[in-house]
Amino acid sequence: AQTVTQSQPEMSVQEAETVTLSCTYDTSESDYYLFWYKQPPSRQMILVIRQEAYKQQNATENRFSVNFQKAAKSFSLKISDSQLGDAAMYFCAYRTYPLNYGGSQGNLIFGKGTKLSVKP
Amino acid sequence: NAGVTQTPKFQVLKTGQSMTLQCAQDMNHEYMSWYRQDPGMGLRLIHYSVGAGITDQGEVPNGYNVSRSTTEDFPLRLLSAAPSQTSVYFCASRGVNTGELFFGEGSRLTVL
Repeated sequence: AQTVTQSQPEMSVQEAETVTLSCTYDTSESDYYLFWYKQPPSRQMILVIRQEAYKQQNATENRFSVNFQKAAKSFSLKISDSQLGDAAMYFCAYRTYPLNYGGSQGNLIFGKGTKLSVKP
Repeated sequence: NAGVTQTPKFQVLKTGQSMTLQCAQDMNHEYMSWYRQDPGMGLRLIHYSVGAGITDQGEVPNGYNVSRSTTEDFPLRLLSAAPSQTSVYFCASRGVNTGELFFGEGSRLTVL
């Protein structure tokens, strides 16, 4: 079974600095999706960034980028120029590529989350 | 643009009571799911559905029941609430062969 591990329960960063959140996963599949979701105090789950495993290029969305190391099964999130609004829980998630749409392969598997605090 | 709508947003129950969390999506998504979120546990899958009339169990299905009579709706039923079911519940959906999961705003349930 696939698993997702976030080894940092809490992280802190100074405003305008850079922080990296770690995520590792375990799978025997070769094709899959990886995601980072942000959950601010409002409780809303917001997609930050996604990566398809077959793409070698690391995904980037404005100040958010990932370091995807497929062989190491590592998927870290880098937040540059941190802002107060970045303070939130961040969840890493995995999903098998839909070679078989039916069944449990389509489910998203989440890590336990990292709480990020941003200091002014 | 409603997306995924969950009701109610807050609910307090007494042990043994039953209730239904409603979930509706207007994106014509085939896949729908229910997660529960507990401190330090991340999001855990309760039940999911890949289309109308098809449901299956996730990681933590005990004490919950679901049905999928239409593409739009996927209610979650607690038959006899227990304090262990105190949690925040999220409904989510996605389209066929797409990766991104769209979430509702969550429902905070407290069982006394």
